[in-house]
Amino acid sequence: KAGVTQTPRYLIKTRGQQVTLSCSPISGHRSVSWYQQTPGQGLQFLFEYFSETQRNKGNFPGRFSGRQFSNSRSEMNVSTLELGDSALYLCASSLFPGGEETQYFGPGTRLLVL
Amino acid sequence: KNEVEQSPQNLTAQEGEFITINCSYSVGISALHWLQQHPGGGIVSLFMLSSGKKKHGRLIATINIQEKHSSLHITASHPRDSAVYICAVTPNSGGSNYKLTFGKGTLLTVNP
Repeated sequence: KAGVTQTPRYLIKTRGQQVTLSCSPISGHRSVSWYQQTPGQGLQFLFEYFSETQRNKGNFPGRFSGRQFSNSRSEMNVSTLELGDSALYLCASSLFPGGEETQYFGPGTRLLVL
Repeated sequence: KNEVEQSPQNLTAQEGEFITINCSYSVGISALHWLQQHPGGGIVSLFMLSSGKKKHGRLIATINIQEKHSSLHITASHPRDSAVYICAVTPNSGGSNYKLTFGKGTLLTVNP
């Protein structure tokens, strides 16, 4: 089976712009979670989607949003980018939601905001 | 205080040594995950456990729910084990309202 894929792998944006990141889960996996990783804060949970519904959301401002499509692919969007949004954004898929399943991580999208 | 604390933050070992990384957490959990992250960012899930002990090759993970503590052991360490090891917990919030919570990670360097 192909692993979790994320596009793009690298992205450079300027403050105030918006960005959309994409995640394709392992075939058959219906749950997709998104995480932000920074040197200062480490890994932090952004949100989780299952069957096109957002089930959980982390402590991030409303500028961070996401969605999931009927084929389980997911996108996350960050509007009005700030310098502090520079990070590695990881998605992970699993068969079912809830954090009690093995998570399979994608390679990540490295976002740099200038 | 973080909900998930790992120790040590950094660990340097010689090839062949037995390695232990510790994880303590302060909330009730339904599962604990050990993850491995190599330079470049890719994360691999090593173990998910809710009780007892699991073994995969040279890696062993244990958890003590009463003491809120887990350990990751690496036997006969090898330079390819050099990576950041991250502990994460699924808080037992009930229902579907969970937020996977991560430790800061342990940077392991194994020298030949």
